[in-house]
Amino acid sequence: GAGVSQSPSNKVTEKGKDVELRCDPISGHTALYWYRQSLGQGLEFLIYFQGNSAPDKSGLPSDRFSAERTGGSVSTLTIQRTQQEDSAVYLCASSLTSGRNMRAEETQYFGPGTRLLVL
Amino acid sequence: AQKITQTQPGMFVQEKEAVTLDCTYDTSDPSYGLFWYKQPSSGEMIFLIYQGSYDQQNATEGRYSLNFQKARKSANLVISASQLGDSAMYFCAMREGGRYGGSQGNLIFGKGTKLSVKP
Repeated sequence: GAGVSQSPSNKVTEKGKDVELRCDPISGHTALYWYRQSLGQGLEFLIYFQGNSAPDKSGLPSDRFSAERTGGSVSTLTIQRTQQEDSAVYLCASSLTSGRNMRAEETQYFGPGTRLLVL
Repeated sequence: AQKITQTQPGMFVQEKEAVTLDCTYDTSDPSYGLFWYKQPSSGEMIFLIYQGSYDQQNATEGRYSLNFQKARKSANLVISASQLGDSAMYFCAMREGGRYGGSQGNLIFGKGTKLSVKP
């Protein structure tokens, strides 16, 4: 079956512009996660959705970052007024469930990522 | 304190030999999951193997096995019969169940081990 897809695969933008990154999770997966991977910071968690709601947005690096998920499916991560330090690979993952009792169904499957370069 | 520690920044292994990649973790949550992911140079994060904290047996998936030593808080990945295609970054990750709060179900990653398989 289809895996997690992300678009665009690459994005080059100028400092100060807004960008939108899209994630399409595996069909039927209720949980969706955004991570950022950069050379200096490793893999950093940004935000998590259970259905359409994000219980805690404190992982987002600044108020220039926002995310939404509609219809329990596609999610969009928006970065406003991009800065050079936003350059990174943005990874999206989805899992079948997300609960407090750890099970194999919690396994997160990742998309190919969006490579963002801010000039 | 780091929750996931991978002490080997780089490893070399001869083709067809077995290799062990080390991972130690730190959590007070009784319910947690441990994961290994492979990231080739293409950038995609590929799920390899999962071990739940309550699982009695070590997980195995084909050539991958997880040496889970709960008392030592270690979850080493063993790759048997290495192949050239195994050359990649390998990440150990943990997801806490969040029974005591503070977890959103996100993965906490180690810094990774770069494995190079020599012909």
